[in-house]
This record gives sequence, C-alpha cells and structure tokens, in this order.
Amino acid sequence: QVQLQESGPGLVKPSQTLSLTCAVSGVSISRDTSYWSWIRQPPGKGLEWIGLVYTSGGTNYNPSLKSRVTISIDTSNNQFSLDLTSVTAADTAVYYCAKEFHPWGQGTLVTVSS
Amino acid sequence: QTVVTQEPSLTVSPGETVTLTCASSTGAVTSGYYPNWFQQEPGQAPRALIYSTIYKHSWTPARFSGSLLGGKAALTLSGVQPEDEAEYYCLLYCGGSWVFGGGTKLTVL
Repeated sequence: QVQLQESGPGLVKPSQTLSLTCAVSGVSISRDTSYWSWIRQPPGKGLEWIGLVYTSGGTNYNPSLKSRVTISIDTSNNQFSLDLTSVTAADTAVYYCAKEFHPWGQGTLVTVSS
Repeated sequence: QTVVTQEPSLTVSPGETVTLTCASSTGAVTSGYYPNWFQQEPGQAPRALIYSTIYKHSWTPARFSGSLLGGKAALTLSGVQPEDEAEYYCLLYCGGSWVFGGGTKLTVL
C-alpha cells in the first residue's frame, strides 16, 4: 500500500523559500512509472495544482507559479521535494503531495508570516 | 490560464440522483481532458473517485459515475446517501497543465 507523508517547516517568513519533502513508502520511486504531484489548498478555499515530477526528473509546473517553483526527485531516499521561492501571505496553504492524483498525503499547513 | 467551473453548491435529498458538472473556459470538455473527480470531507485530504472521465477506483461506491454531458465532464450520484455530503472537485488536463475546478459543496438534507 502506497503512503505519502509531507514534512517541512510550518512557518516561513515572507520573501523566503518554502521547502517541503514528501516521503514515499510502499513503492520504489525509481521503479515506478508514475509521476509525483504537489497540490495546495489555502484555508477555506479550493485546490490548486502546483506541479509534478517524473521519475526521470522531468517536470511540469502550473504556469502561474512556474517562475517560483522547483520540484525535484530523490530516488535514493524515495522522496520528492517542493521549493517555492519569494513567498507571500497568499502562499499560506495546506500542501499535499500525491502519487499522480492518488493516493494523497495527509497534508501539511504552511503559514507565511513574519 | 484555463478556468474550470463547477456549481458552487447543490442540495439534494437522500435517495435522489444528482449530477455535478465541470466546464472549461476553452470550450467543450472531451476525454482528452482526462477528467478526474475527488471527494473532500472537512479536515481530510481529497480522495480520488473517478479518473479519465469514467473509470472508478476500487474503493469508489457503485452509485458514483463519471461521464461527458453537454460539453462538460459530469459526476452523477445515483441514490445519494447522507455520507455523500462533502466538497467535490473536478480536475482537467488543459493545454499541458492540470487545473482544478472551484469545487461543489454537496448538501444532503
């Protein structure tokens, strides 16, 4: 059974970089042909697709976030990561990782505040 | 960027049938948009229900079905149960990137 778990700081200061990691268990990323996604949800609002990374390392990003987003994969540690630069309060959200679009991690709340 | 539109809210009585729709600002939704549907209960991560328009996951109740209807993606619940009260999101593959709809809050009264 595939499981995903997000981790990272719960509080980030404005203008800094938000960095999260998604640990994957139950499957070897390096042997799986899936892609690996990041999605976020601001408090009380809807879902927003951030981007994805393929096992090969190729990526695809939401055009509205593309200039600030980097998603990378670490097959040796069976995890993938999200970096979002120059954050503002508008980036405050629950951040989810997913194997394609199922299953999802439980999500982690990241608050951008000084 | 493409805007994906869903009904903001729907109210239905137990046992009734309800259809939620998902429209794209670029035109008719086709199978090439690979419509996905998700259910989200308060405080929980979304759960996938339907992928590639019509296909159910192994845990998707039989009363849920996906289709294309009048140029939109559709999620039909046949014989709604009280536990179906939740937020429902669609997801479309639009011009090389994925776009979520704004969600439909389904109330079962």
